[in-house]
Amino acid sequence: DSGVTQTPKHLITATGQRVTLRCSPRSGDLSVYWYQQSLDQGLQFLIQYYNGEERAKGNILERFSAQQFPDLHSELNLSSLELGDSALYFCASSGPTAGGPSVNEQFFGPGTRLTVL
Amino acid sequence: QQQVKQSPQSLIVQKGGIPIINCAYENTAFDYFPWYQQFPGKGPALLIAIRPDVSEKKEGRFTISFNKSAKQFSLHIMDSQPGDSATYFCAASMDSNYQLIWGAGTKLIIKP
Repeated sequence: DSGVTQTPKHLITATGQRVTLRCSPRSGDLSVYWYQQSLDQGLQFLIQYYNGEERAKGNILERFSAQQFPDLHSELNLSSLELGDSALYFCASSGPTAGGPSVNEQFFGPGTRLTVL
Repeated sequence: QQQVKQSPQSLIVQKGGIPIINCAYENTAFDYFPWYQQFPGKGPALLIAIRPDVSEKKEGRFTISFNKSAKQFSLHIMDSQPGDSATYFCAASMDSNYQLIWGAGTKLIIKP
């Protein structure tokens, strides 16, 4: 167990709809990362937040947005969903944590499997 | 210059063999090189990581070899077992921003 939680575990919705994925980082971690992984594909970095502020942006579509709240949990909002958005969405978190592992190490949650029908 | 190139895309090895997965990078500012292991339906998990000041690091059956001049690093799995069957990702990052740049992944199958 990485200590990163994601909800829901599975999500089935229709094209054109909007969904929100939630992530709670490990206790003490300030950075949250979102990734998309399509079937048998690599990890596509979407966006990173650090202590509430956007730190880096990857290949995130304009239909997607994210935010990190004061309690450090994060939400990824996906709107106007298309069939091609069906994928596993992972959240990861990293330090700094006092006395903990390197801040470079990212701890991944179990993922949310999104199916768009 | 930000890319990390990983090969092979897939690999099948007999039990007890030594699979080797290779990665190459271009940005000499990278200073942290981890390998992640991912089982189907699960999130990736850190397996082992290395910094450029050492040429080799071992943790159990897993070894990273690092060649700074060639800008390459590789993962070796000794005495491979069917339970090692998974997808392996290499990555690289800089301490200045901690953002991991990922390789495309290698699907490893260890045959009994």
